[in-house]
Amino acid sequence: KQEVTQIPAALSVPEGENLVLNCSFTDSAIYNLQWFRQDPGKGLTSLLLIQSSQREQTSGRLNASLDKSSGRSTLYIAASQPGDSATYLCAPSPYNTNAGKSTFGDGTTLTVKP
Amino acid sequence: EADIYQTPRYLVIGTGKKITLECSQTMGHDKMYWYQQDPGMELHLIHYSYGVNSTEKGDLSSESTVSRIRTEHFPLTLESARPSHTSQYLCASSETVGGYTFGSGTRLTVV
Repeated sequence: KQEVTQIPAALSVPEGENLVLNCSFTDSAIYNLQWFRQDPGKGLTSLLLIQSSQREQTSGRLNASLDKSSGRSTLYIAASQPGDSATYLCAPSPYNTNAGKSTFGDGTTLTVKP
Repeated sequence: EADIYQTPRYLVIGTGKKITLECSQTMGHDKMYWYQQDPGMELHLIHYSYGVNSTEKGDLSSESTVSRIRTEHFPLTLESARPSHTSQYLCASSETVGGYTFGSGTRLTVV
């Protein structure tokens, strides 16, 4: 059974800092991995989706990398802003499309202080 | 833009009432999911569907039921609401593997 760990659980940084959020997973047989953002009391917003054949994906100030063999993904946020404050979750999806569902990490709660 | 819609956004209801939370998606996705999430806590999968007339229970036991009569529609029903059902319910869909799109959620309070 896939287990997903996100470290740190919480992170507080001053505005403007670059930061890295970590996601590790135990089963490397994944099809893709998705990063989400969740604001309090809201649904999840997809940030980036990395296919297993890719090493990284970029969107604006966000860059996600994937090292499938070591079971790790990172989300890099450049020049952080207070509006980036949210909980960030990663979710790898297995190859078995019939039985497999994405497994969600517990998330990293980011606070960016002005 | 393709999207997934949940209604109502907020619901306060008395104990014992029957409720249905609506979820519809316009993307033609075969796979749909219901998650339950308490404030500040992790997501728990309670139901999922891989297509019309296909429904399965998730990892977290739930007293709710679901149906999938149309591809775009995946409603969740509680026959008799209790205070322990107070939570946020999130609906999601995906086309094949991963690539989830989530709705905005329904925040349910049972008094």
